[in-house]
Amino acid sequence: DAGVIQSPRHEVTEMGQEVTLRCKPISGHDYLFWYRQTMMRGLELLIYFNNNVPIDDSGMPEDRFSAKMPNASFSTLKIQPSEPRDSAVYFCASSTSLTLAKNIQYFGAGTRLSVL
Amino acid sequence: KNQVEQSPQSLIILEGKNCTLQCNYTVSPFSNLRWYKQDTGRGPVSLTIMTFSENTKSNGRYTATLDADTKQSSLHITASQLSDSASYICVVSVHNTDKLIFGTGTRLQVFP
Repeated sequence: DAGVIQSPRHEVTEMGQEVTLRCKPISGHDYLFWYRQTMMRGLELLIYFNNNVPIDDSGMPEDRFSAKMPNASFSTLKIQPSEPRDSAVYFCASSTSLTLAKNIQYFGAGTRLSVL
Repeated sequence: KNQVEQSPQSLIILEGKNCTLQCNYTVSPFSNLRWYKQDTGRGPVSLTIMTFSENTKSNGRYTATLDADTKQSSLHITASQLSDSASYICVVSVHNTDKLIFGTGTRLQVFP
């Protein structure tokens, strides 16, 4: 398996524009997580899905952020409109209930977002 | 409030030396604690995991310890190598939930 695949790897956009980040989890994994990482705050959980259903979105900063998982092999995180303070690295991770119980998540390489 | 604090924030050592990273947590109820290694530009990768009853676990040159009474964990790296340069993140899981609490990490730099 190629692991968790995220695209794009880098995104530079102007304030006010819509940004869409994409994630393909590991095949067979039924949990999918979206994280944001900054120097100041470290890794923060934004939202996670189980069997394509959002379970906890309490980490989503505000209404400008939305996430979808239309099927088991694809998820998107959308920011509309984007702001400079959204600049961060966004990670997607996937897991199974078995590996999650052991606190194992498999992370993608991340998308580095810069909002100018 | 469930929190995980790590120290030091950053550390510089010479190749071949040992070092110890600290993690203190206030997570309750506790399930397990895992150390992740994150190379620059990559996602975190799991190193070791410990449950409540375990107090030490090794993975090559990495040895993690856990004191569930004082709610402290440490990650000891022996005979450091240049490839050990990375951020090390302590992650604690909350019992009977899917919730993970992340520390902000320790950035380790190993110089030749």
